[in-house]
Amino acid sequence: AQSVSQHNHHVILSEAASLELGCNYSYGGTVNLFWYVQYPGQHLQLLLKYFSGDPLVKGIKGFEAEFIKSKFSFNLRKPSVQWSDTAEYFCADLDGTSGGGADGLTFGKGTHLIIQP
Amino acid sequence: GAVVSQHPSWVICKSGTSVKIECRSLDFQATTMFWYRQFPKQSLMLMATSNEGSKATYEQGVEKDKFLINHASLTLSTLTVTSAHPEDSSFYICSAIAGHLGLSPLHFGNGTRLTVT
Repeated sequence: AQSVSQHNHHVILSEAASLELGCNYSYGGTVNLFWYVQYPGQHLQLLLKYFSGDPLVKGIKGFEAEFIKSKFSFNLRKPSVQWSDTAEYFCADLDGTSGGGADGLTFGKGTHLIIQP
Repeated sequence: GAVVSQHPSWVICKSGTSVKIECRSLDFQATTMFWYRQFPKQSLMLMATSNEGSKATYEQGVEKDKFLINHASLTLSTLTVTSAHPEDSSFYICSAIAGHLGLSPLHFGNGTRLTVT
């Protein structure tokens, strides 16, 4: 079965600091990886996704993630965080083995990021 | 940590029948539960938000008569796909929060793969 691990449950940073949130997935076949963000008072929003191609993926709001197959990792990064980046971040892996139909999605437990002004 | 149990994890049904999916918060009281649908190669789609004891709020384009949501207690919400058709085949996942969105993290169930034949 798939599993997604986010090792940092709580991260506190100061504004302008660099950010890296870890995500490791267990499934070794076709990978379809996502990072979602949940801002305070809002629902999930897609930050970025990786299905294939360039392993360095650019997302919205200055976020990027790098897919490293050998490490089964898809870490989220941002060079300089802002106070408005305070949110909950979720990594997810979509099982694309079926090629369509009922693909299964597995979420990590989430990382609560707090940016101090 | 907080656990959300979703049952069944896999169901195959015939066209025209109804299928009920349960979402339970095992160790906390979920004031709000969310139901999502995962389409192949796409980001997660929020279907509806359900608060205990009140009617669910459906997202635009989601048929409330087809996807019946009941949140009868603080630990249980159900999604019933009525008169299922093959196009309803998908991966459905629920999430729950203990407090208010933005103040409490989302906890996800493991999802249900529905195949309608």
